[in-house]
Amino acid sequence: SQTIHQWPATLVQPVGSPLSLECTVEGTSNPNLYWYRQAAGRGLQLLFYSVGIGQISSEVPQNLSASRPQDRQFILSSKKLLLSDSGFYLCAWGRPGGAADTQYFGPGTRLTVL
Amino acid sequence: QKEVEQDPGPLSVPEGAIVSLNCTYSNSAFQYFMWYRQYSRKGPELLMYTYSSGNKEDGRFTAQVDKSSKYISLFIRDSQPSDSATYLCALISGGSNYTLTFGKGTLLTVNP
Repeated sequence: SQTIHQWPATLVQPVGSPLSLECTVEGTSNPNLYWYRQAAGRGLQLLFYSVGIGQISSEVPQNLSASRPQDRQFILSSKKLLLSDSGFYLCAWGRPGGAADTQYFGPGTRLTVL
Repeated sequence: QKEVEQDPGPLSVPEGAIVSLNCTYSNSAFQYFMWYRQYSRKGPELLMYTYSSGNKEDGRFTAQVDKSSKYISLFIRDSQPSDSATYLCALISGGSNYTLTFGKGTLLTVNP
């Protein structure tokens, strides 16, 4: 069976500091991978998605970036955090090549920027 | 008009009640419809998935899609306190293989 891991679970960072959140998937090959942010009252916002190693698509222009150094690893980064970056960050995976791509979410990272 | 509208609630019902959760959408290109359940401080988990108009049942849960009205619903029968969570509808356009459009979620509390 497939499992998805995210870490850290909780993070408190000062404004202007860097960020690195990691997501890994087990039990499947070449998954589609996604980063979402969930802020209070704003629903789930898709930030990045990847359909393969080195292929990253950005949905929202911002000070965040994503990388996929390995098939089942997805990293979300920032060089300088803003207050507005606070939120619940969720990684998700989907079956490769699926026309109707249901997505399965990780446990999330709660980020507070002070 | 937002692509997907979902009543945020909160919705509070007694145990055993029938719950109706709803979303409307404006883009007729949406072809696939899902419901996720999200417990507090957890990631969403997939509950139901359907792609055709009509009803789909899974235990106490029924997903209903009306493409002509652009309206989807999730019904929960015999609701339990363990059903207390935020429920999110999610839609996929037939032209997009990768991205889901989510409603903002409805917070449901089932009181024992």
